[in-house]
Amino acid sequence: AQSVAQPEDQVNVAEGNPLTVKCTYSVSGNPYLFWYVQYPNRGLQFLLKYITGDNLVKGSYGFEAEFNKSQTSFHLKKPSALVSDSALYFCAVRAFNTGFQKLVFGTGTRLLVSP
Amino acid sequence: EAGVVQSPRYKIIEKKQPVAFWCNPISGHNTLYWYLQNLGQGPELLIRYENEEAVDDSQLPKDRFSAERLKGVDSTLKIQPAELGDSAVYLCASSSPFAGGMTDTQYFGPGTRLTVL
Repeated sequence: AQSVAQPEDQVNVAEGNPLTVKCTYSVSGNPYLFWYVQYPNRGLQFLLKYITGDNLVKGSYGFEAEFNKSQTSFHLKKPSALVSDSALYFCAVRAFNTGFQKLVFGTGTRLLVSP
Repeated sequence: EAGVVQSPRYKIIEKKQPVAFWCNPISGHNTLYWYLQNLGQGPELLIRYENEEAVDDSQLPKDRFSAERLKGVDSTLKIQPAELGDSAVYLCASSSPFAGGMTDTQYFGPGTRLTVL
């Protein structure tokens, strides 16, 4: 079975500082990994995904994520946080070589960027 | 390009009443998903459609939940009768298989927030 863990319920960071939102995964086979962001009363917005290739994936709004196979992690990062980045962030995984597998989401991490 | 459209955005009903949610996917997306998102949790898949065929409904509580996508475009999710525990956000998503099969990105609608009293 595939699963995702987001160990932090909330991450606090000051505007202008770098941010990291952590995600670890467990799958049988190679993973497809995704990050989504959810603003209040809105649906999930796609940020970026890792399929294959470079371990550093760049996405929307200046976000990037680093795939680390040995640590089974896919942490979301941004060099300089904005107050407008405050939202709920979800990591999700889908297995590669087991036929179609549903997208499994973590429980989410709330990012709070203070001015 | 218009995104995934869902209606209503909010619904308040009393328990044992029926309720229906509607979703119109992004034009050209033949894969449609319904997810359930409980408070403080990530979305969980209820059902997936490829065109008009439900290809994965293993997580759908079939005693009270039903879904249809008759013409392979828009879809309706129904609960009858609703229970207190059904209070949640119901999200619809769509994707295009031509973007790479399992690598395709799912695009989500704003969701319907259901409150059962």
